[in-house]
Amino acid sequence: DSGVTQTPKHLITATGQRVTLRCSPRSGDLSVYWYQQSLDQGLQFLIQYYNGEERAKGNILERFSAQQFPDLHSELNLSSLELGDSALYFCASSVGRVNTDTQYFGPGTRLTVL
Amino acid sequence: AQTVTQSQPEMSVQEAETVTLSCTYDTSENNYYLFWYKQPPSRQMILVIRQEAYKQQNATENRFSVNFQKAAKSFSLKISDSQLGDTAMYFCAFGTSGTYKYIFGTGTRLKVLA
Repeated sequence: DSGVTQTPKHLITATGQRVTLRCSPRSGDLSVYWYQQSLDQGLQFLIQYYNGEERAKGNILERFSAQQFPDLHSELNLSSLELGDSALYFCASSVGRVNTDTQYFGPGTRLTVL
Repeated sequence: AQTVTQSQPEMSVQEAETVTLSCTYDTSENNYYLFWYKQPPSRQMILVIRQEAYKQQNATENRFSVNFQKAAKSFSLKISDSQLGDTAMYFCAFGTSGTYKYIFGTGTRLKVLA
């Protein structure tokens, strides 16, 4: 158990819908990262937050947005969902904001868009 | 550009034998860290081992060890006494203080055979 929690574990929805994925980092960690892993693919970095502020953006679509709240939990919002958005979405957390810190991953949320 | 290459898409090993997974990377940075993550069928991302680039000594964690060759930009993972539970996808990852995301390789699928 990494200490990072993600809810829900599974999500099934229809095209055009909007969903919210939630992540709680490990106690003491200030950075939260979001990654997308499509079937049999590697991990694609989406976005990073540090202590409530956006720090870096990766290959995140305009239909996707995220935020980190004062209690440091983070939410990833996916809207106008398409079939291709079906994937495993991971949240990771680390102590600081630099990329040399070890990132600990949550169990992931499996999103299925029908 | 910073890249991570895992040239072995799939490997298999007999139980109790030793196997080595390859990873090469490219960077002009001096301060960086390298990681191996394991993703079993449950798809949880589990940190296996971490290596700081400034350390000459190779990292070890129980049956897992690395062969870090900084000049060659090589970072291979050796699994000794392979167990059935080692069956998983293994990802090599790289992080520097100059970027905010981990760069992941495409993964090596390892199957341990009984």
